[in-house]
Amino acid sequence: TQLLEQSPQFLSIQEGENLTVYCNSSSVFSSLQWYRQEPGEGPVLLVTVVTGGEVKKLKRLTFQFGDARKDSSLHITAAQPGDTGLYLCAGDRSTASKLTFGTGTRLQVTL
Amino acid sequence: DTEVTQTPKHLVMGMTNKKSLKCEQHMGHRAMYWYKQKAKKPPELMFVYSYEKLSINESVPSRFSPECPNSSLLNLHLHALQPEDSALYLCASSQDEGRETQYFGPGTRLLVL
Repeated sequence: TQLLEQSPQFLSIQEGENLTVYCNSSSVFSSLQWYRQEPGEGPVLLVTVVTGGEVKKLKRLTFQFGDARKDSSLHITAAQPGDTGLYLCAGDRSTASKLTFGTGTRLQVTL
Repeated sequence: DTEVTQTPKHLVMGMTNKKSLKCEQHMGHRAMYWYKQKAKKPPELMFVYSYEKLSINESVPSRFSPECPNSSLLNLHLHALQPEDSALYLCASSQDEGRETQYFGPGTRLLVL
């Protein structure tokens, strides 16, 4: 059973478009991280959200943690080719000592 | 500094070889992790070390042997691997086990022939 489902699985858009990636679960998470990973490289941390309803902005990226801490979203404004990569959400639950990774969203931004 | 380093970057080995992957962090983190990642899939946890002691082994075959010589170093010893073990091996660290943000290294791309 996959605890964190991401949607869409794959997204191909043109430069300048906006997009939203969703990370959903039926479980409550103490915190949730978003990572971006390029092929052959390790995941790079983008943000950690810990409070229900929290919104964090990182330049053109906006992250939101659901009020019930069961879901999160990542919105990218005016996507650029440099945003291309695998986006992973990962959450920790108070009842488990390991991080739960989402299924991943592959984003491709073309010129 | 949030850097985790891994060596080597790439590794090709035969099924009878013995090799080791190395990971290092100088952030004072007390928890370190090994993950295995197949193409287009999320990372899968293999081992967790907390305060230099093995905390979690996710039923990993004994041909993978982790070692934590000190709080900054984590090794993964490989012996008699199979071709299906070919993957990206990622090391990560966090302030404490489980409930802290994890920082990942760049990974070692392993090919078993």
